[in-house]
Amino acid sequence: DQQVKQNSPSLSVQEGRISILNCDYTNSMFDYFLWYKKYPAEGPTFLISISSIKDKNEDGRFTVFLNKSAKHLSLHIVPSQPGDSAVYFCAGKDNFGNEKLTFGTGTRLTIIP
Amino acid sequence: DVKVTQSSRYLVKRTGEKVFLECVQDMDHENMFWYRQDPGLGLRLIYFSYDVKMKEKGDIPEGYSVSREKKERFSLILESASTNQTSMYLCASSSQSDGSNQPQHFGDGTRLSIL
Repeated sequence: DQQVKQNSPSLSVQEGRISILNCDYTNSMFDYFLWYKKYPAEGPTFLISISSIKDKNEDGRFTVFLNKSAKHLSLHIVPSQPGDSAVYFCAGKDNFGNEKLTFGTGTRLTIIP
Repeated sequence: DVKVTQSSRYLVKRTGEKVFLECVQDMDHENMFWYRQDPGLGLRLIYFSYDVKMKEKGDIPEGYSVSREKKERFSLILESASTNQTSMYLCASSSQSDGSNQPQHFGDGTRLSIL
């Protein structure tokens, strides 16, 4: 049972344009969502998060949008830069008081110079 | 900056061996986690720990055990390694949320090959 789904395994975007990465979830008990970025041969690094009480969180070039009714979140990167080329994972945390994260399968983003 | 250190970047072991993967964090975090990452499957949680000597099963604990004797160290043990345990193993830590959500911080991973 895949509770967090990233349906696009890969995405290519021209440098300077907007990158939009999508994530769907099925667990209605998730109350916190995170995006991680992973370069080859490195561990994932935390990028941005959003609480379920919000619908948008922005940090520089990165914005995460949450649509609770659709159980959908998206990460917008604008403008996209070559250093953004990486695998992006979304993750959800439930409100049961534990610290477990459930990750999606990842989207490989390639920025074309 | 949080530092999560995994003892080996690459490891090659044989089927049936007992394998130890070590992870140390330097931020006095209460929570520690072990994941494996496989192509097309994302990160899957094997085990986690909220405190010293405490452990909880994750989504795929079969064939693994863990040890947390000290707060800063969390070990993953493959009791009898099998070829389907060839994978990238990632350790993470986080502080207890207490109302404000805290992200997990990851090590650089151990690529384990079982021959």
